[in-house]
Amino acid sequence: GIQVEQSPPDLILQEGANSTLRCNFSDSVNNLQWFHQNPWGQLINLFYIPSGTKQNGRLSATTVATERYSLLYISSSQTTDSGVYFCAVGSNDYKLSFGAGTTVTVRA
Amino acid sequence: DTAVSQTPKYLVTQMGNDKSIKCEQNLGHDTMYWYKQDSKKFLKIMFSYNNKELIINETVPNRFSPKSPDKAHLNLHINSLELGDSAVYFCASSPGQGVKDYGYTFGSGTRLTVV
Repeated sequence: GIQVEQSPPDLILQEGANSTLRCNFSDSVNNLQWFHQNPWGQLINLFYIPSGTKQNGRLSATTVATERYSLLYISSSQTTDSGVYFCAVGSNDYKLSFGAGTTVTVRA
Repeated sequence: DTAVSQTPKYLVTQMGNDKSIKCEQNLGHDTMYWYKQDSKKFLKIMFSYNNKELIINETVPNRFSPKSPDKAHLNLHINSLELGDSAVYFCASSPGQGVKDYGYTFGSGTRLTVV
């Protein structure tokens, strides 16, 4: 199956700081999504981004499919951004392989 | 109105018992999934259904049997529960193929504890 590697595994930020999370994958994909799992366990879809760049408020994502990586940018971080960020990829529409996640802690 | 709803939210049961988790989505999506999240937060696909048909069965033990009575519902029945089945089980749904944004919507999860 497709291997997904996320870095860094852990990230501690001061409120207001910017950060970049990276996702590398081992094969061609036609489906790539970023999720945020909040401290209460809820999984929220942030982006569906198999290629290109998208922005949603303080979050943006870029996927360079030819080089097999995706980046998630968090700007002006807030304590509510804390949680685990997952990258998930798939070569078809019926199965996503998840990375191990990046645990983000934003301190006030 | 919850988009993907799972019941129950918590389930504590003894080894050897049989239990079911229900999932319903009101998004009109064609595809539904079950994912398992272990204690290290690793998420792994178990099953995918498209319009009530099983598409993916990811080497899950036979004790796990999904059922999709219609495309809005996907239930998970587990027989003879084992300690290793303890995990959080997530249901999810996504639009049909050819839709521009194929993003998943997850339910809130069912925390299963086998004692």
